[in-house]
Amino acid sequence: GESVGLHLPTLSVQEGDNSIINCAYSNSASDYFIWYKQESGKGPQFIIDIRSNMDKRQGQRVTVLLNKTVKHLSLQIAATQPGDSAVYFCAEKQTGANNLFFGTGTRLTVIP
Amino acid sequence: GAVVSQHPSWVICKSGTSVKIECRSLDFQATTMFWYRQFPKQSLMLMATSNEGSKATYEQGVEKDKFLINHASLTLSTLTVTSAHPEDSSFYICSARPGTGRGEQFFGPGTRLTVL
Repeated sequence: GESVGLHLPTLSVQEGDNSIINCAYSNSASDYFIWYKQESGKGPQFIIDIRSNMDKRQGQRVTVLLNKTVKHLSLQIAATQPGDSAVYFCAEKQTGANNLFFGTGTRLTVIP
Repeated sequence: GAVVSQHPSWVICKSGTSVKIECRSLDFQATTMFWYRQFPKQSLMLMATSNEGSKATYEQGVEKDKFLINHASLTLSTLTVTSAHPEDSSFYICSARPGTGRGEQFFGPGTRLTVL
């Protein structure tokens, strides 16, 4: 069946470096993607989203890139800070669907 | 903006009792709300989708008579876990989707349910 998955389950980066979290999706009918950040014991926090008619979108310190050809989504975090340590989920919404499908998550650990 | 609250944040109950969890969108109207369940170190599992004023749509394998969902207004949805058992212990998270928007969902802080 369709799935949204991540290449790396864990990622450790040095404070101040840039982080790149990757996500692969398998359903070409997906037209909307969201990145969420979840800290321990809390609900997911919306970070940034992108529609399939775009290939790049930037926010504050974050950039989402979408490559529809290879069905790949990435989240780039600039100048990673200790507060960025969390689990990051990508989620996709298929055209006409009501809900999101979540990936397995990547744990980002920032080393001071 | 786009704040979603849940109450309670945690609850401990005895086996066989029922527990109600509230989900509120505080600064927007949510035509659709979602209920998820999350086990430790796992991703979110969608349990059901509820639209204001209509019956919830449950995902396969989720018992609708056990997990009662009511979406009585555009800002409130409730999940009642009936006759709770220890295996129902989990982290329950709701999300709400604004009626106007790109389709994004905003999540509540979650409710930790422990059934003894």
